[in-house]
Amino acid sequence: DIQMTQSPSTLSASVGDRVTITCRASQSISSWLAWYQQKPGKAPKLLIYKASSLESGVPSRFSGSGSGTEFTLTISSLQPDDFATYYCQQYNSYSLTFGGGTKVEIK
Amino acid sequence: QVQLVQSGAEVKKPGSSVKVSCKASGGTFSSYAISWVRQAPGQGLEWMGGIIPIFGTANYAQKFQGRVTITADESTSTAYMELSSLRSEDTAVYYCARAVVRLGSGYYYGQHWGQGTLVTVSS
Repeated sequence: DIQMTQSPSTLSASVGDRVTITCRASQSISSWLAWYQQKPGKAPKLLIYKASSLESGVPSRFSGSGSGTEFTLTISSLQPDDFATYYCQQYNSYSLTFGGGTKVEIK
Repeated sequence: QVQLVQSGAEVKKPGSSVKVSCKASGGTFSSYAISWVRQAPGQGLEWMGGIIPIFGTANYAQKFQGRVTITADESTSTAYMELSSLRSEDTAVYYCARAVVRLGSGYYYGQHWGQGTLVTVSS
């Protein structure tokens, strides 16, 4: 299976901060990566697919980049609604895998 | 709009089975995948398997091979996930997602998600 490693596991930030989360794949996955946001007690919400394509309705402060084995999710100016846990997921094999998650907390 | 509605919470005994349903509305059922993902208390997301109804075959994470069965009924736009030989470690929220299939492959990502079904395994 392709292993997905996210860093950091926890991130403390303030409203207005620029936030970057990294996701590394154990082997190349080209651009076949999605990012999700999850709030406590809620289902995940798709933010980004194909590494950098913004899902419809997602604010433009979210952006994704990368290819191969290294990817980033950036929130350009953190808003109160963005405090949540973020997951990456690769879809370049029949066995899909998620990263371990990054919790974005209020500083 | 696309909506996925899952069946209600379950409490099961160790060694038994559970079957969770996921009814989709508001879009084409067959040409997307239905992916099943679980989340144990305080833990991350774990993909269990999925099915592309138009192809009819399911694929499973190796961890669950032999214990999970995923099916889909196109006539009712409903997918099912059955997990057998339950143990306490299977206590989790189980999610279905309607997933976009990458062109020319059987790989996918979840675009629309159900509300989740809590399965508690306890003696």
